[in-house]
Amino acid sequence: NAGVTQTPKFQVLKTGQSMTLQCAQDMNHEYMSWYRQDPGMGLRLIHYSVGAGITDQGEVPNGYNVSRSTTEDFPLRLLSAAPSQTSVYFCASSLNSPGSTGELFFGEGSRLTVL
Amino acid sequence: SQQGEEDPQALSIQEGENATMNCSYKTSINNLQWYRQNSGRGLVHLILIRSNEREKHSGRLRVTLDTSKKSSSLLITASRAADTASYFCATAHISNFGNEKLTFGTGTRLTIIP
Repeated sequence: NAGVTQTPKFQVLKTGQSMTLQCAQDMNHEYMSWYRQDPGMGLRLIHYSVGAGITDQGEVPNGYNVSRSTTEDFPLRLLSAAPSQTSVYFCASSLNSPGSTGELFFGEGSRLTVL
Repeated sequence: SQQGEEDPQALSIQEGENATMNCSYKTSINNLQWYRQNSGRGLVHLILIRSNEREKHSGRLRVTLDTSKKSSSLLITASRAADTASYFCATAHISNFGNEKLTFGTGTRLTIIP
């Protein structure tokens, strides 16, 4: 079982560049989400999706775009990278919404540095 | 702002002792979950307790929930070196758009001293 797969694992960007963090899951999970983790801040929710075609904002959505065209994939786009977006990014998915039995399965993270 | 906050931020105990971590949250919840994160890895789900439950056990883990105080605690009994990790509570609640989301606290860093 691959579970939740994130690519790339490491990335260095220059300010103003754009990129997409990829996330794919093979568990047929409806719910997918992106978090960023910064020292002392815990995990903060960026965007999430409750199914294909449906996305919603989390706590820190500014500077990030998402789309959910398939059940399996939930890419996170940075349109114009800023140093404040230097962080470790985690993608997570669950079969059901977190409010029911939604145990989240996490990827191994993508470490992004913006210079 | 963060929904949950863990206390203490860091905890060091001797192997074999019990470890207790606390979590406080701000708004009403559907459930509360605890996760573990080993250094440099993704988070792993430990246990879920629903808003109508007061206590739950799983192996060496015991979780309590007090909705009147908006707080939860995680007890790890007979700690082992392998329990060294960061522990996060997460609360499931309804967003302004009616969807459910999971919000994490800031975490407790647990170190087990052999």
